[in-house]
Amino acid sequence: DVKVTQSSRYLVKRTGEKVFLECVQDMDHENMFWYRQDPGLGLRLIYFSYDVKMKEKGDIPEGYSVSREKKERFSLILESASTNQTSMYLCASRLRRTGPHEQYFGPGTRLTVT
Amino acid sequence: AQTVTQSQPEMSVQEAETVTLSCTYDTSENNYYLFWYKQPPSRQMILVIRQEAYKQQNATENRFSVNFQKAAKSFSLKISDSQLGDTAMYFCALIQGAQKLVFGQGTRLTINP
Repeated sequence: DVKVTQSSRYLVKRTGEKVFLECVQDMDHENMFWYRQDPGLGLRLIYFSYDVKMKEKGDIPEGYSVSREKKERFSLILESASTNQTSMYLCASRLRRTGPHEQYFGPGTRLTVT
Repeated sequence: AQTVTQSQPEMSVQEAETVTLSCTYDTSENNYYLFWYKQPPSRQMILVIRQEAYKQQNATENRFSVNFQKAAKSFSLKISDSQLGDTAMYFCALIQGAQKLVFGQGTRLTINP
């Protein structure tokens, strides 16, 4: 089974702090994704990566950056956390970009910025 | 641009009943894929069922089936003989080609004993 893990289930940070959210997948998937989930808005794509060292902006990249130095790891960085970034963050991976491949999700990190 | 709309924010049914969750979408493409994902409380999101747009036959997975109406751009999920473990958020999603998944707003389904 594919396993996608995220470094923390719950995180509380202060406004202005730099925040790192880590995601690791163990199935040699090429593609990885970061979403935020907010009530009534569904999942919105922040950034994604088709392969190592590659990154593409999603629908709501402002205030975020990402890093993918190794194939299995995709990090989301909040350069200076703000209260409007309080949300549930979900990481996902997919085998590759072509075909209807299923995305596998991590358990999520609920981030609170105070 | 692709859009996915789920018009039912919440639904509630009794155990063993059948329930249908609605989803409509918009895309300019002919070839695409549609998904229903399930997110149980405090648990990981998992794929429930997948439909390929070029297949006319509706997908089924045990108690889960879809009603795919391509011309109407409608993709509803039917859960038969609902169980307490079906309580979850359900998301409809669309992907075309190598593009990203686009999700609906979600429907919170509660199965009551």
